[in-house]
Amino acid sequence: DTGVSQDPRHKITKRGQNVTFRCDPISEHNRLYWYRQTLGQGPEFLTYFQNEAQLEKSRLLSDRFSAERPKGSFSTLEIQRTEQGDSAMYLCASRNKDQPQHFGDGTRLSIL
Amino acid sequence: DQQVKQNSPSLSVQEGRISILNCDYTNSMFDYFLWYKKYPAEGPTFLISISSIKDKNEDGRFTVFLNKSAKHLSLHIVPSQPGDSAVYFCAASARETSGSRLTFGEGTQLTVNP
Repeated sequence: DTGVSQDPRHKITKRGQNVTFRCDPISEHNRLYWYRQTLGQGPEFLTYFQNEAQLEKSRLLSDRFSAERPKGSFSTLEIQRTEQGDSAMYLCASRNKDQPQHFGDGTRLSIL
Repeated sequence: DQQVKQNSPSLSVQEGRISILNCDYTNSMFDYFLWYKKYPAEGPTFLISISSIKDKNEDGRFTVFLNKSAKHLSLHIVPSQPGDSAVYFCAASARETSGSRLTFGEGTQLTVNP
């Protein structure tokens, strides 16, 4: 059973640079979620896709953030002009209807 | 505002004893509750869930209790094992809205001592 896969696992970048993360969900899952987790906190919802449609975005997702799921399979999360406050663990999860969300191991972003 | 709260940042128990982790919520629209376990450098792993139409759900050593009137749920682990040492997150969702996005508590670090 292949779980949710995220790439890269770690990303270190300078402030002001753009970064892109990838998430490959469990193959038969049509719902995909992005969350952000900072130290000492639980994950916070960012955005949600059903197939290729982005159905909801949190107010946490500023204009610098964009997410896509072009063919309803993998998804990308891009952060433009990164800031120190973007340092966090970015988690992806997927599920099918009436199932719990299954999470990947996340991408840890560090902004220098 | 923090809609899901786990008031105990940490809990330490002896191997073989019961671990009880608590969670409170404020949003009355929540109708589905989950517990996740997280080891360092890994993503959260689903443990057990409960629908608001039930007050108890059991899976092996894990039991979740839901008290809707008090907006409180708890996770019981018995007997506790050293491998259970991890951060436990309570999460809630309103399944009819928002695609079942999860709202998480802050987590409780459980340490099970041999």
